[in-house]
Amino acid sequence: KAGVTQTPRYLIKTRGQQVTLSCSPISGHRSVSWYQQTPGQGLQFLFEYFSETQRNKGNFPGRFSGRQFSNSRSEMNVSTLELGDSALYLCASSLIAVSSYNEQFFGPGTRLTVL
Amino acid sequence: SQQGEEDPQALSIQEGENATMNCSYKTSINNLQWYRQNSGRGLVHLILIRSNEREKHSGRLRVTLDTSKKSSSLLITASRAADTASYFCATDLNNAGNMLTFGGGTRLMVKP
Repeated sequence: KAGVTQTPRYLIKTRGQQVTLSCSPISGHRSVSWYQQTPGQGLQFLFEYFSETQRNKGNFPGRFSGRQFSNSRSEMNVSTLELGDSALYLCASSLIAVSSYNEQFFGPGTRLTVL
Repeated sequence: SQQGEEDPQALSIQEGENATMNCSYKTSINNLQWYRQNSGRGLVHLILIRSNEREKHSGRLRVTLDTSKKSSSLLITASRAADTASYFCATDLNNAGNMLTFGGGTRLMVKP
């Protein structure tokens, strides 16, 4: 089975622009979560989608948004980019609804640099 | 904010030695998971321990959980240079979905 794929792997943007990142989960997985990793704040949960619905949202401003399609693929969007949005964005998929009973499989991440 | 704090932040050992990393957390949990990350790449799931479990083994890995002290430890026995990575603990605070809260991580270097 193919793993979680994320595109693009690297991205350079300038302040004020917007960006869209894509995540394709493992086939059959319906839950997709997004995390931001920075040296200062570490790994932080952004949001989680299950069956095209956002189920959980982390403490991030409204500039961060996402969606999930019927094939479980997910996209996240960041508008009006700020320098502090430079980070590794990780996507994770899991088979069933709750993390108590299953692991999350992470993709390789998208490295976003905001200049 | 981070739920867990890991200790030590960095650890350097020789190949063949054991490595122990500790994780403390603040609130009640459903489970605790350990992940490995190689040099800014994706996370690899290592082991999940539920709140009603005290110890779990997987190959050279041994994880303990003490819910009374709100702490967990990861032991890697007979370490190898390939174990060089950052290790993170992550807690699941509720059963409402797949939402993990990560600790700050321990950077492990295993010297050949």
